[in-house]
Amino acid sequence: KAGVTQTPRYLIKTRGQQVTLSCSPISGHRSVSWYQQTPGQGLQFLFEYFSETQRNKGNFPGRFSGRQFSNSRSEMNVSTLELGDSALYLCASSLEARASYEQYFGPGTRLTVT
Amino acid sequence: AQSVTQLDSQVPVFEEAPVELRCNYSSSVSVYLFWYVQYPNQGLQLLLKYLSGSTLVKGINGFEAEFNKSQTSFHLRKPSVHISDTAEYFCAVTNSRLTSGSRLTFGEGTQLTVNP
Repeated sequence: KAGVTQTPRYLIKTRGQQVTLSCSPISGHRSVSWYQQTPGQGLQFLFEYFSETQRNKGNFPGRFSGRQFSNSRSEMNVSTLELGDSALYLCASSLEARASYEQYFGPGTRLTVT
Repeated sequence: AQSVTQLDSQVPVFEEAPVELRCNYSSSVSVYLFWYVQYPNQGLQLLLKYLSGSTLVKGINGFEAEFNKSQTSFHLRKPSVHISDTAEYFCAVTNSRLTSGSRLTFGEGTQLTVNP
């Protein structure tokens, strides 16, 4: 079975621009979560989607948004980029949106904001 | 809300030595506990998890962890490490309520470096 894929793997953007990151979960997985990883703040939860509905949201400003499609693929969008948005963005998928189900992480998208 | 503290940011050890990576958590509700490993330029891989039952949990690559409810700890151990175990290790916790989804709260990470 193919793992979680994230595209693009690397991205360079300028302050003020917006960006869209994509995540394709493992086939059959219906839950997708997004995390931001930075050296200063560590791994922080952004949001979780299940069956096209946002189930959980972390403590991030409204500039961060996401969505999930009917095939469970997910996108996250960051508008009006700031230097502090530079991070590794990780996507994870699981069969169900339940804590007991293992989450499988993708390799991440490395976003650099200049 | 939950929080996780990994007590050591860096742990250097020699090959074939035992290692323990320490993790304490705080939560007002029942939790599940996890250890993940991250190799350079890769995502996270689950090493092991505690959901319920036996407090000693065995995972992949020879790692094990012990859940101690009274001390709110979930320390990771390996009796003999290899160079290939060099990586960053993350302890994570989540609310075990069925309706709470699978949101993970991570610790700050422990960089394990195995030297020859």
